[in-house]
Amino acid sequence: EAGVTQSPTHLIKTRGQQATLRCSPISGHTSVYWYQQALGLGLQFLLWYDEGEERNRGNFPPRFSGRQFPNYSSELNVNALELEDSALYLCASSLQGGNTEAFFGQGTRLTVV
Amino acid sequence: AQKVTQAQTEISVVEKEDVTLDCVYETRDTTYYLFWYKQPPSGELVFLIRRNSFDEQNEISGRYSWNFQKSTSSFNFTITASQVVDSAVYFCALRGASGANSKLTFGKGITLSVRP
Repeated sequence: EAGVTQSPTHLIKTRGQQATLRCSPISGHTSVYWYQQALGLGLQFLLWYDEGEERNRGNFPPRFSGRQFPNYSSELNVNALELEDSALYLCASSLQGGNTEAFFGQGTRLTVV
Repeated sequence: AQKVTQAQTEISVVEKEDVTLDCVYETRDTTYYLFWYKQPPSGELVFLIRRNSFDEQNEISGRYSWNFQKSTSSFNFTITASQVVDSAVYFCALRGASGANSKLTFGKGITLSVRP
């Protein structure tokens, strides 16, 4: 069974540009989570989607946005990129409910220059 | 609000030593779930264990064991006879049963280095 897949693996953008990151969850999983892991800052919760709806959002500016498609895959968009957006962006998927494990993808390394 | 504290930031041991990684959590939920993840240098978080708040039974899986104590809000992880392959960052996480708290809240992670 395929795990969580993220694309691209690496992304280099210029300050001010937009970045789009993609995530395909494990088959049967309806919840998708996005986390930012910047150097020295740990895992910061960005967004949570379930059944196509945004369920929760972390403390990030509105230029971080996303969506979940009918097939439960998800997209994270970051507009007006800033240098400090450089980080590893991790996507996780799980079944509905808190008593289930979340499985992570390999991440997208975003570098803003 | 939920919070996970991993007070240790870096631990270095020699191979075959036992090592315990500490995790303390805070939540107002009566039902919640605790997790440990391993992040090797490749970057992908690897799920290790899930523990439900209503099940305080400790668990052992090979060289890994977990000690859940609700009275002290702790969920510690012990690696017995550590190996170089255990070198990674280890994250403890907390998740509520429903609503906004059902996102995963992570601690800051513990970097474990096992020297040969």
